[in-house]
Amino acid sequence: AQSVTQLGSHVSVSEGALVLLRCNYSSSVPPYLFWYVQYPNQGLQLLLKYTSAATLVKGINGFEAEFKKSETSFHLTKPSAHMSDAAEYFCAVSEVDTDKLIFGTGTRLQVFP
Amino acid sequence: SAVISQKPSRDICQRGTSLTIQCQVDSQVTMMFWYRQQPGQSLTLIATANQGSEATYESGFVIDKFPISRPNLTFSTLTVSNLSPEDSSIYLCSVEVGPPSYNEQFFGPGTRLTVL
Repeated sequence: AQSVTQLGSHVSVSEGALVLLRCNYSSSVPPYLFWYVQYPNQGLQLLLKYTSAATLVKGINGFEAEFKKSETSFHLTKPSAHMSDAAEYFCAVSEVDTDKLIFGTGTRLQVFP
Repeated sequence: SAVISQKPSRDICQRGTSLTIQCQVDSQVTMMFWYRQQPGQSLTLIATANQGSEATYESGFVIDKFPISRPNLTFSTLTVSNLSPEDSSIYLCSVEVGPPSYNEQFFGPGTRLTVL
């Protein structure tokens, strides 16, 4: 079965600093990969997705992620953090033969002024 | 994309009672999903609800505890029955939008349930 590992349950950065949130997946075939963001007391919002097209995927709010098959990784980055980026971020992988999403445990991003 | 609403947005219930959560989508969708997010945890899929068929439950979730209805392509309900404090969670519905092979899901705002 596929799984997702997010390293670091909490990440803290200063405003303007680089954001790097790590996600590794396990899959025998290239999966579909997603990053979702959850702001306090809200549902999940899709940030970006990888569906076997370009390996570098650009999403909303200046985020991007790179699919690296050799490293089975799909890390999320943003060059310059903003206070409004403070939220919980979830990496998810889609099972190839079903419609299910498997979520990682989430990473809480804090941004300090 | 899709606009998804859930009712209620939050509720406080007594032990032993039930809560029914509604999920409404602004367009017709085939696949709808129900998730549970326990405090400080990630999302766990409860079941997949397809219109015209019985819901498919994940391991650890049973129909008697989490009955689901899917009367049409824009609406679904999840009932959490015989509530206990351990059921205190956020319950989210989602729908699959776009090419079926991409498995891209859009989520509702969630229903925050507290059981006393």
